[in-house]
Amino acid sequence: DGGITQSPKYLFRKEGQNVTLSCEQNLNHDAMYWYRQDPGQGLRLIYYSQIVNDFQKGDIAEGYSVSREKKESFPLTVTSAQKNPTAFYLCASRPGQKRQGEQFFGPGTRLTVL
Amino acid sequence: GQNIDQPTEMTATEGAIVQINCTYQTSGFNGLFWYQQHAGEAPTFLSYNVLDGLEEKGRFSSFLSRSKGYSYLLLKELQMKDSASYLCAVRGTYSGAGSYQLTFGKGTKLSVIP
Repeated sequence: DGGITQSPKYLFRKEGQNVTLSCEQNLNHDAMYWYRQDPGQGLRLIYYSQIVNDFQKGDIAEGYSVSREKKESFPLTVTSAQKNPTAFYLCASRPGQKRQGEQFFGPGTRLTVL
Repeated sequence: GQNIDQPTEMTATEGAIVQINCTYQTSGFNGLFWYQQHAGEAPTFLSYNVLDGLEEKGRFSSFLSRSKGYSYLLLKELQMKDSASYLCAVRGTYSGAGSYQLTFGKGTKLSVIP
């Protein structure tokens, strides 16, 4: 079945450690996105990528990094520079550049910093 | 800037009809989306409006007035499983390379009671 997978579903890390969240899609979508969701807040855009080897900062990119070496994969690294990393992280993808379709979301990763 | 407002919480009775409003002020408009999100899960697409008027899809309908910066999601014949958060999102100005960013509201938590 086609879809978006994120792993792991729950992730714990110690303060000061970097951690990488996985996002894979087999929908052949060009565009991929990372959002962060906090209680009582809307989804906020961290980074997005329209094509392989290209990505752009969203509204809250500080303390995060991404790569897009393959069309199917868009991993997000939460670095120690991120002041408040505990949150629910959602990855999304959308069909090609000329199609204005909706975004499809993965199941999310809940990150907790101890 | 981008600003999207929707009520924080609503309660409705099983079998009833509920209307969730969304007002927006955004720099550019290229469509409005409604997503449903159950607690701890990914948002799932419900509807898309780009022209004024009503879009009906089964028990769910969505209305848009671009001149008023206003949309609503109408849920009929409410079921217990409709208890979820409903997210309003606006697609804004084209920013190059096929990119239209989504700005999300904070979501409306709907509780359906017997």
